[in-house]
Amino acid sequence: NAGVTQTPKFQVLKTGQSMTLQCAQDMNHNSMYWYRQDPGMGLRLIYYSASEGTTDKGEVPNGYNVSRLNKREFSLRLESAAPSQTSVYFCASRRDGSSYNSPLHFGNGTRLTVT
Amino acid sequence: GQQLNQSPQSMFIQEGEDVSMNCTSSSIFNTWLWYKQDPGEGPVLLIALYKAGELTSNGRLTAQFGITRKDSFLNISASIPSDVGIYFCAGLNSPGTYKYIFGTGTRLKVLA
Repeated sequence: NAGVTQTPKFQVLKTGQSMTLQCAQDMNHNSMYWYRQDPGMGLRLIYYSASEGTTDKGEVPNGYNVSRLNKREFSLRLESAAPSQTSVYFCASRRDGSSYNSPLHFGNGTRLTVT
Repeated sequence: GQQLNQSPQSMFIQEGEDVSMNCTSSSIFNTWLWYKQDPGEGPVLLIALYKAGELTSNGRLTAQFGITRKDSFLNISASIPSDVGIYFCAGLNSPGTYKYIFGTGTRLKVLA
């Protein structure tokens, strides 16, 4: 019963390097999300995907790209990492299609440091 | 971007004490969620609220959806050391939207 799985758990990058954060969910959820968490700022939405094949910008999309590879997987790419992207990144998913606003289910995060 | 005002930011309490925290917004919400985050892990859902005035319990935790729809409250009764962590509220202000808004968190420390 894995839920939302994120890889890697930790990563250190040098400024200008690129990398992709992976996320997969096994709950057959339709929508998936990427958030970043910084001290004192709560969780901020980077990108989300309402369904397979669609992606939309959130609150802080600059410097990131996403791919909704299939229903299970939603990846986040940093093309040219900057120190301001040092953060903890969380992937989340949600079941939709119900009459109520279903809650988000989170992975355990990727801790990224950019030097 | 919009964020919810969550208070207190942090609190130290003695084991066995009751704890209260709240979340307020300038906007009306139709869904409130409360999450707990342990160190090194992702937020875990505690309670979901869908109706103004709703009061819902989960063990020693009780949360309420404020009548004005602009606030929510979380109470923890008889706190224990494992209650330590960060508690987040999250709100959604219209059906069918996808963007939950999060509070900045309440860091709880329990003294044995």
